[in-house]
Amino acid sequence: GENVGLHLPTLSVQEGDNSIINCAYSNSASDYFIWYKQESGKGPQFIIDIRSNMDKRQGQRVTVLLNKTVKHLSLQIAATQPGDSAVYFCAENRGSGGSNYKLTFGKGTLLTVNP
Amino acid sequence: DAGVIQSPRHEVTEMGQEVTLRCKPISGHNSLFWYRQTMMRGLELLIYFNNNVPIDDSGMPEDRFSAKMPNASFSTLKIQPSEPRDSAVYFCASSLKGSGGGPNEQYFGPGTRLTVT
Repeated sequence: GENVGLHLPTLSVQEGDNSIINCAYSNSASDYFIWYKQESGKGPQFIIDIRSNMDKRQGQRVTVLLNKTVKHLSLQIAATQPGDSAVYFCAENRGSGGSNYKLTFGKGTLLTVNP
Repeated sequence: DAGVIQSPRHEVTEMGQEVTLRCKPISGHNSLFWYRQTMMRGLELLIYFNNNVPIDDSGMPEDRFSAKMPNASFSTLKIQPSEPRDSAVYFCASSLKGSGGGPNEQYFGPGTRLTVT
């Protein structure tokens, strides 16, 4: 079946390094993507989103890249800090018309930042 | 501003008991979602309300699960009777669905960790 999947289930980086978290999606009709951060014991926290008419979007220390040709999404975190340690989920909106509210979440990547 | 509020944060109950989870969405949001998160299945959408009306409940596991949204500021998810396999973290999320109809970011509450023994 179609899934939003992550290439790397775990990622360990040194404080100050840049982090790249990858996500593959299989539905070419998906037109909206979100990255969420989930810290232990908390709910997912919105980080950044991107619509399919864009290939790059930047936020504070984060950049999301969308490659529709290969159906790939990535989240780049600059100067990673210990507070960035969490599970990161990508989510895609597959629905159209009346079901365009639905987000399908990937299984997540655990990012660990070593001091 | 207060985010999505959920209660209780933790619930431990015995098999067969009724469980009620509560959610207060962000003021002004018109869409509300209930999700369940487990290690095996990840985040699953259970039900979606728009303007207090259930739009899609196809994710509700079975008849033991029911959800209501009597007004724009309150929703409940009820499990009756509860079973050990219902043990999970249940999240409520809300968003503002624009007039254009396109999807928008969902804001999640802290979740309720349910343990059914």
